[in-house]
Amino acid sequence: QVQLQQWGAGLLKPSETLSLTCAVYGGSFTGYFCSWVRQSPGQGLEWIGELNLSGSTNYNPSLKSRVTISLDTSNNQFSLKLTSVTAADTAVYYCARRVGSGKYYFDYWGQGTLVTVSS
Amino acid sequence: QSALTQPASVSGSPGQSITVSCTGTSSDVGSYNLVSWYQQHPGKAPKLMIYEVSQRPSGVSNRFSGSKSDNTASLTISGLQAEDEADYYCCSYAGGSTLIFGGGTKLTVL
Repeated sequence: QVQLQQWGAGLLKPSETLSLTCAVYGGSFTGYFCSWVRQSPGQGLEWIGELNLSGSTNYNPSLKSRVTISLDTSNNQFSLKLTSVTAADTAVYYCARRVGSGKYYFDYWGQGTLVTVSS
Repeated sequence: QSALTQPASVSGSPGQSITVSCTGTSSDVGSYNLVSWYQQHPGKAPKLMIYEVSQRPSGVSNRFSGSKSDNTASLTISGLQAEDEADYYCCSYAGGSTLIFGGGTKLTVL
């Protein structure tokens, strides 16, 4: 059974860099995209971006300039960095596995990490 | 890239059927059969319920079904049960290797 477990700092100050990591257990990255999705308090889901084993990245145009997603295959982990955070970046951040090969859906999700940006 | 449009809330009584709509544009929902639906209970991660418009993952009840017409996708839940009460989100491929979600619909089982 595939499991995604995520962690990272939960409280940031404006202008700092958000950093989260997601470990994948029971599955590989082959044929999938490592994705991040966020959910602002009381709001809907927002796709942040993704990365596959070949290093191909896709980002939400509205966040692209601040987002980096990277992969650590030796530890079966992938990470999200979001620079210059503001209060608008306060959200629960989820890692998820997106099925590749032109299929575009998320079959497994992490438990979510609440990140609060406050001075 | 605006969020797909979903009704804020829907409700139904146990045993009834409800439908949640998800309206996009000819650039996303209307152009691709790549709509998925997710169920989210409070404080939990989303769970895949439908993919590629109408496909059901293994383990998901056949009370859940999906369809699409033009720029609008729909999720239908038949035989409503108390445990179906949750938020539901649609998601569509939007071209250019990007994805877009709907704003979410809160389902209340009366």
